[in-house]
Amino acid sequence: AQSVSQHNHHVILSEAASLELGCNYSYGGTVNLFWYVQYPGQHLQLLLKYFSGDPLVKGIKGFEAEFIKSKFSFNLRKPSVQWSDTAEYFCAVNPLYGQNFVFGPGTRLSVLP
Amino acid sequence: NAGVTQTPKFQVLKTGQSMTLQCAQDMNHEYMSWYRQDPGMGLRLIHYSVGAGITDQGEVPNGYNVSRSTTEDFPLRLLSAAPSQTSVYFCASSKDPSNGRYFGPGTRLTVT
Repeated sequence: AQSVSQHNHHVILSEAASLELGCNYSYGGTVNLFWYVQYPGQHLQLLLKYFSGDPLVKGIKGFEAEFIKSKFSFNLRKPSVQWSDTAEYFCAVNPLYGQNFVFGPGTRLSVLP
Repeated sequence: NAGVTQTPKFQVLKTGQSMTLQCAQDMNHEYMSWYRQDPGMGLRLIHYSVGAGITDQGEVPNGYNVSRSTTEDFPLRLLSAAPSQTSVYFCASSKDPSNGRYFGPGTRLTVT
């Protein structure tokens, strides 16, 4: 069965620090990859997605992610975080044409002002 | 568009009670699904539907029923609530299974 792991349970950064959140998945076939953000008390919102093409994808709010097929990874990055980025971040994987959308356990990001 | 709506926002049940969580979307999406979110476990798929009249089980279907009589609505029924079903429930929809999901605001359920 496919699975998604996220390297860090809780990340604490100061404003303007750079961010990288790790995501690895286990699935041998072609996949679609997603990052979602959940702000406190809110529902999940799509940050960015990768289907094919350029492995570096840009999303909303200055986030980007890089797909490295050989490492089965899809890490999320942001050059300079803001206090408003405090949220929980979920990586998700969906096999191409598959039904099962598998989420990672999430990484909580706290940005200190 | 309202997107994906869910009712109620909060619910407290006693063990053994039944209830239905409502979910509706106005985007004409064929694919709808229910997830539960528990701390440290991400979101786990309960049931999903690829269109009206078609439903299937996800990762954690036990204790839950679904039906899909229209494209817009996808209710989730708890048959006999148990404390282990205390969770936050999210409904999601998408144009097709491969696409990113649009999530509703969630229902926080507590079973005592």
